[in-house]
Amino acid sequence: KNQVEQSPQSLIILEGKNCTLQCNYTVSPFSNLRWYKQDTGRGPVSLTIMTFSENTKSNGRYTATLDADTKQSSLHITASQLSDSASYICVVSAYNNNDMRFGAGTRLTVKP
Amino acid sequence: DAGVIQSPRHEVTEMGQEVTLRCKPISGHNSLFWYRQTMMRGLELLIYFNNNVPIDDSGMPEDRFSAKMPNASFSTLKIQPSEPRDSAVYFCASSSSGGVTEAFFGQGTRLTVV
Repeated sequence: KNQVEQSPQSLIILEGKNCTLQCNYTVSPFSNLRWYKQDTGRGPVSLTIMTFSENTKSNGRYTATLDADTKQSSLHITASQLSDSASYICVVSAYNNNDMRFGAGTRLTVKP
Repeated sequence: DAGVIQSPRHEVTEMGQEVTLRCKPISGHNSLFWYRQTMMRGLELLIYFNNNVPIDDSGMPEDRFSAKMPNASFSTLKIQPSEPRDSAVYFCASSSSGGVTEAFFGQGTRLTVV
């Protein structure tokens, strides 16, 4: 069973709208959680990294939240742009930086 | 820094042939990871090295897969013999060890075994 579950599997929104992607995990003991953006045909690129003590972290129009008690994270995208169309992958690490568990990703499509 | 460099970007080979994928990590990074990505299974960790030493290869599918890191600036992932089910995108990533650090991914090698 995958220790990182993401929802929805795919999402289509109109340009300018906001959206929220979800990530639930069972990885324990928790070290950190990352959100990656992966454009088609490219490698994943890090958006945010959060540790146990961090509840919210922003990177431009991307805001990630973390609730370590309920083992949930969300990625909120504000005022979406066509270039936001990509897969967004939640990655949770236990113990140390090297033990990363990947979610299956959410495929976001932003339409004009 | 040019980032993590992988070669080739695309590889098409016949079943049974040997395939070698190459990776140059970011200078100064001492952790290197090999991943495989497919539509069905997403990103899977195959193996990772720390200071050129393989730490965890439990993700390597079978004996047909092998990985080496002869020095801090180069790693290879070899498949011999290749099979059609090995078709996937293979990513290499590197990071600094110690604390919570970002892992940087290469552009990947798209392997097609026919």
